Amino acid sequence: SQKIEQNSEALNIQEGKTATLTCNYTNYSPAYLQWYRQDPGRGPVFLLLIRENEKEKRKERLKVTFDTTLKQSLFHITASQPADSATYLCAPGGAGNMLTFGGGTRLMVKP
Amino acid sequence: NAGVTQTPKFRVLKTGQSMTLLCAQDMNHEYMYWYRQDPGMGLRLIHYSVGEGTTAKGEVPDGYNVSRLKKQNFLLGLESAAPSQTSVYFCASSYSIGSGELFFGEGSRLTVL
Repeated sequence: SQKIEQNSEALNIQEGKTATLTCNYTNYSPAYLQWYRQDPGRGPVFLLLIRENEKEKRKERLKVTFDTTLKQSLFHITASQPADSATYLCAPGGAGNMLTFGGGTRLMVKP
Repeated sequence: NAGVTQTPKFRVLKTGQSMTLLCAQDMNHEYMYWYRQDPGMGLRLIHYSVGEGTTAKGEVPDGYNVSRLKKQNFLLGLESAAPSQTSVYFCASSYSIGSGELFFGEGSRLTVL
């Protein structure tokens, strides 16, 4: 069955550093992958989408990579700020299929 | 625009009671979804709808029913609540299925005693 793995342990980094979150998937060949941000007590908010034919996507301080050979996506936040502290969810999806969400990784950026 | 609105935000039920969660969206989206989120489990799809009058089962549909009588509303019902249904429920909508981004509501926290 399809499996999505995100580091369940919180990632603690210092303000100004680059945060890198990992999303690995198995038994799956997604045509695209989405990343969402979720704050405590709130619903997820869409951040970025990357397609299988795109190696990298950028949006302001965010960068996502998609390696279909490694079956992995990396999510980077450069020059991180305390306001970036949240849980980040990855969600691979196939054409016409529903998104399948990972369990999320909690990021804590310390001032 | 309010986006996606869920009611109620909190509810406590006793085992065997029934209830309905209401989701309303004002973005004229065709597609709507109900997810549940449990610690360490991620978001799991319960049911979804590809248009008014249509519904389909997701990953974890047992114990739930849904209805989409109007395009803007998607109802999730629990006929006989069980403690295993204690969770946070999220409604979402999207313009397109597949690669379209999902717009989520703020969630409804349900506790079944």
